[in-house]
Amino acid sequence: QLRLQESGPGLVKPSETLSLSCSVSGGSISSSRFYWVWIRQPPGKGLEWIGSMYYSGSTYYNPSLKSRVTVSADTSKNQFSLKLNSVTAADTALYFCASGPFRCGGDCYVLYAMDVWGQGTTVTVSS
Amino acid sequence: DIQMTQSPSSLSASVGDRVTITCRASQGIRNDLGWYQQKPGKAPKRLIYDATSLQSGVPSRFSGSGSGTEFTLTISYLQPEDFATYYCLQHYSYPYTFGQGTKLEI
Repeated sequence: QLRLQESGPGLVKPSETLSLSCSVSGGSISSSRFYWVWIRQPPGKGLEWIGSMYYSGSTYYNPSLKSRVTVSADTSKNQFSLKLNSVTAADTALYFCASGPFRCGGDCYVLYAMDVWGQGTTVTVSS
Repeated sequence: DIQMTQSPSSLSASVGDRVTITCRASQGIRNDLGWYQQKPGKAPKRLIYDATSLQSGVPSRFSGSGSGTEFTLTISYLQPEDFATYYCLQHYSYPYTFGQGTKLEI
């Protein structure tokens, strides 16, 4: 059974880089069976998709964040990470990593919406 | 970008009531939609996938319907533990987009 756990600093200074990791257990980050996602939720607000990554290393980002965000994998640690640079107070949020089923046959595609989520980690941007 | 318009934004109901939440997509998304329940400070929990399929372990009082641009989540007999915020998510195309959320209150 797949399990995800976020980790990283809870406090980041304005203009610096937010870095989070998502540790994966019960499955391989390199598997073509899963896709990997970061989502965030500002205090009192709704959910925002940040970006997705596939086993091939392909990534897709929210255009609202695209110039500042990078999602990447560390296969040696079975983790995937989020880096968001030049942060402001608007980036203060509860950050989640998540995963869903992916299928590759003759074609590769996201099968369903994310079903496994980490518990989330709060990041505050403040000096 | 595909906009997901979710309504209502809040809903007051009682135990035993039947409630319906709607998500409308700004363009067709086939069945590429999931419904989530979120309680304060917790990760969202997937209730419905592929617009109509019930997640394993989720009570059968939850059901999803729709295809294309209009989708509904119905809770047929509200239980105390159902009071939470509900979100739809389209994964038809990037950027993935969530509805604004529906807060279900007593």
